Amino acid sequence: QKEVEQDPGPLSVPEGAIVSLNCTYSNSAFQYFMWYRQYSRKGPELLMYTYSSGNKEDGRFTAQVDKSSKYISLFIRDSQPSDSATYLCAMSATTQGAQKLVFGQGTRLTINP
Amino acid sequence: NAGVTQTPKFQVLKTGQSMTLQCAQDMNHNSMYWYRQDPGMGLRLIYYSASEGTTDKGEVPNGYNVSRLNKREFSLRLESAAPSQTSVYFCASSESGINQPQHFGDGTRLSIL
Repeated sequence: QKEVEQDPGPLSVPEGAIVSLNCTYSNSAFQYFMWYRQYSRKGPELLMYTYSSGNKEDGRFTAQVDKSSKYISLFIRDSQPSDSATYLCAMSATTQGAQKLVFGQGTRLTINP
Repeated sequence: NAGVTQTPKFQVLKTGQSMTLQCAQDMNHNSMYWYRQDPGMGLRLIYYSASEGTTDKGEVPNGYNVSRLNKREFSLRLESAAPSQTSVYFCASSESGINQPQHFGDGTRLSIL
């Protein structure tokens, strides 16, 4: 069983819709939670970073962490065609030195104009 | 800004051949990482280097070796390539410590026949 589970989709929604992307995890030691966005034929780029439980908002994006349920979410409001990409959740328990990330499988998202 | 540069971008090898994937970063980061990305598997950590002069195994190190040549460069070597190593390989770098994002290159697409 994978440490981090993510529904691979694909997920297709109309422009302007609210998108919800989710990951579950099994390792209680994870403290740092990230969402990366990956466009086709490109490397992942960091979108959101959250420490421990709670919400974090950045423009149209909101990241939520519920450590009691071992569940994290990314919400995209007013979705745009430019948001079409693969979204990867990632987690880490490391606090010193190199940050060893564990990634979910990624969800492929398409926003239709 | 170049960021993280990976060479080559594409490569086809025959089973048993050897190859070195190159990675260089110009952000003066201490830590560097090698991942592989396979369909349905997300990114998995192969090796990492917390700082110049150190390297450690990640989740899937078998069949690979690494060299941290200096602070800028971190190479990944396949001594005897196998079809199971067909994948997209990503190099990343980050500053040390918490709350430091990893910056990724655009990957090397490697096929082993």
